[in-house]
Amino acid sequence: SQTIHQWPATLVQPVGSPLSLECTVEGTSNPNLYWYRQAAGRGLQLLFYSVGIGQISSEVPQNLSASRPQDRQFILSSKKLLLSDSGFYLCAWSPGVAYEQYFGPGTRLTVT
Amino acid sequence: AQTVTQSQPEMSVQEAETVTLSCTYDTSESNYYLFWYKQPPSRQMILVIRQEAYKQQNATENRFSVNFQKAAKSFSLKISDSQLGDTAMYFCAYRPPFNQFYFGTGTSLTVIP
Repeated sequence: SQTIHQWPATLVQPVGSPLSLECTVEGTSNPNLYWYRQAAGRGLQLLFYSVGIGQISSEVPQNLSASRPQDRQFILSSKKLLLSDSGFYLCAWSPGVAYEQYFGPGTRLTVT
Repeated sequence: AQTVTQSQPEMSVQEAETVTLSCTYDTSESNYYLFWYKQPPSRQMILVIRQEAYKQQNATENRFSVNFQKAAKSFSLKISDSQLGDTAMYFCAYRPPFNQFYFGTGTSLTVIP
């Protein structure tokens, strides 16, 4: 069966510090991968998605970036965090175009 | 533009009663997919139900069913025999026949004992 992992679960970082959130999927190959951000009490904002290694599509201009160094690994990064980067970050995967998304447990990021 | 609208920010229902959550969407596509996701206090997003637009029959999953009205671009979720564990945020999502997903802003459902 397929599983999706995210870490860390919780992170507190000062403004201006770098960020690296990791997401990995097990039990499948060539998944579509997604990064979302959810502000408190709000809906999901799609940040990035990837249909293959090295292929990243950005949905929202910001100081965040994403990379997919391996087939089942998706990384969200920032060189300098802003206060507005605080939120709940969700990684998701999908088997393909006609399928639903499956979400990881999320990372709660607080920028102080 | 592809948009998903959930017009009920908050709802409540008595335990064992039935509740319906509304969702409308805007699209020019003829073939697409619709989903309802549940996000309990743990914040883990859980797929509740999916509907393919080319299927006329409404999807059902145990106590959860949908009312899919393609012409009206409406996709409501009915929860029967509500249980305390149904307390959560519910998100409607639309997926056209490419890779992008579009989510609504969510409906916070509280089941009252």
